[in-house]
Amino acid sequence: QVQLQESGPGLVEPSGTLSLTCAVSGDSISSRDWWTWVRQPPGKELEWIGEIYLRGSNAYNPSFGSRVTISVDRSTNHFSLKLTAVTAADTAVYYCVRNGVPSYFDWWGQGTLVTVSS
Amino acid sequence: QSALTQPASVSGSPGQSITISCTGTSSDIGSWNVVSWYQHLPGKAPKLLIYEVNKRPSWISSRFSGSKSGNTASLTISGLQAEDEGDYSCCSRAGSGVLYVFGTGTKVTVL
Repeated sequence: QVQLQESGPGLVEPSGTLSLTCAVSGDSISSRDWWTWVRQPPGKELEWIGEIYLRGSNAYNPSFGSRVTISVDRSTNHFSLKLTAVTAADTAVYYCVRNGVPSYFDWWGQGTLVTVSS
Repeated sequence: QSALTQPASVSGSPGQSITISCTGTSSDIGSWNVVSWYQHLPGKAPKLLIYEVNKRPSWISSRFSGSKSGNTASLTISGLQAEDEGDYSCCSRAGSGVLYVFGTGTKVTVL
């Protein structure tokens, strides 16, 4: 069974950088072409942040502008999220997700709460 | 790209059937046959229930079914059980830019 586990600081200061890592087990990260980050702010709906495409260009939600970067480390079976210049609006539970084909998400991490506050 | 619209809450008695709607636009649900549904129980990772409108992963009970008509997709839970209580979200492929849009979420209560 595939398992995904997010890790990273639970508290980030305003204007700082949010960095999260997703450890994938039970599957090689190279077995799928797309891996995704999704978040859910308190009391709001799920929001697609972006995806990494192992064979080419990534895709990001335009609402994040140039603040977001998703990268992968195939040697350690991890992929990561970096979000810069964070504000309180970036407070959310962040999920790492494996993409199914076509266009769905078949395995999710449990999520990690990141709070942006001083 | 706006979120897909779901009812905030749906309830039913054990054994009954309930249906959750998910309304989008011609740019998302209306254009793509890739609506998916997720169950989110407290303290657990979200779980895929339905993909490509009406396909079910092998590990998901046949009590869960999906359909689509025009810009609206639906999830039906038959034979409602106490363990079905939780939050449910739909998702659709969208146009360029925001590739995926999620629903506003529905809380299912088993009476």
